[in-house]
Amino acid sequence: LAKTTQPISMDSYEGQEVNITCSHNNIATNDYITWYQQFPSQGPRFIIQGYKTKVTNEVASLFIPADRKSSTLSLPRVSLSDTAVYYCLVGDRASSGGSYIPTFGRGTSLIVHP
Amino acid sequence: EAGVTQFPSHSVIEKGQTVTLRCDPISGHDNLYWYRRVMGKEIKFLLHFVKESKQDESGMPNNRFLAERTGGTYSTLKVQPAELEDSGVYFCASSHPEVWGEKLFFGSGTQLSVL
Repeated sequence: LAKTTQPISMDSYEGQEVNITCSHNNIATNDYITWYQQFPSQGPRFIIQGYKTKVTNEVASLFIPADRKSSTLSLPRVSLSDTAVYYCLVGDRASSGGSYIPTFGRGTSLIVHP
Repeated sequence: EAGVTQFPSHSVIEKGQTVTLRCDPISGHDNLYWYRRVMGKEIKFLLHFVKESKQDESGMPNNRFLAERTGGTYSTLKVQPAELEDSGVYFCASSHPEVWGEKLFFGSGTQLSVL
C-alpha cells in the first residue's frame, strides 16, 4: 500500500481556510485518495474521496495534481468544531488484490482557535 | 439509517480476565473491519470479514484475540486472557463497496482498560 506523509499538526483561526497536504509518492494507478476526520472519543468519519483533479462536497474540497503524488484537503472557513485529526489514506481494492484494508497514518491534528 | 454500533463503550477489567466486544455493522454491509488504537499510537488494522468469512486477519496481535461473525451480521472480538498491553480503543467499521465505494463507516469505539 502507498505510504502517506502529512504534517503532524496545524493551527488555524475561525473563519480561515485550511489546507492540509498529503504526500503519496508511490500511489498506484488504481488507488483512490480518501480523507477521514476524527473527533476525540469517536471513530473516524469519511470526509471526501477522489481520484484526480478536484472533488467538492458540502464539507470540503480535494485537490489532486496531475501526477497524483500529493493531494490537498481544503476546509473553507473553519470553525471551532473543525478541531480534529485528519487522516489521508490511499488504496483500492484492485491494487490490494481484492481485499482493501484502509491503513491509517498518524494524521494531522488541526486546532482551530477563536 | 442506523450507523455502526459498538458495545460496550467502556470496559475496565483486570489482567487475566476475559472481555468480549461487540460490533453491529450497518445493515447490508458485508465488509466488517476491526481496528485498534493504543494510546499514543496509530490506528492499527486487526482483521477484515466479508460476510462470515475472515478475509484478512494479519493484524491480530496474538492468539489471545478471537473474532467471530456468525451468520455474517454482528461480530464479536474476545480477548482472553487480557493483558495490560491490550488497553486501547477498539474500533469497528463496515462498508458496502457496491454502493459507497471504499468508504468505511466507523463506530464510536470501545475503550478497553486492563488494570
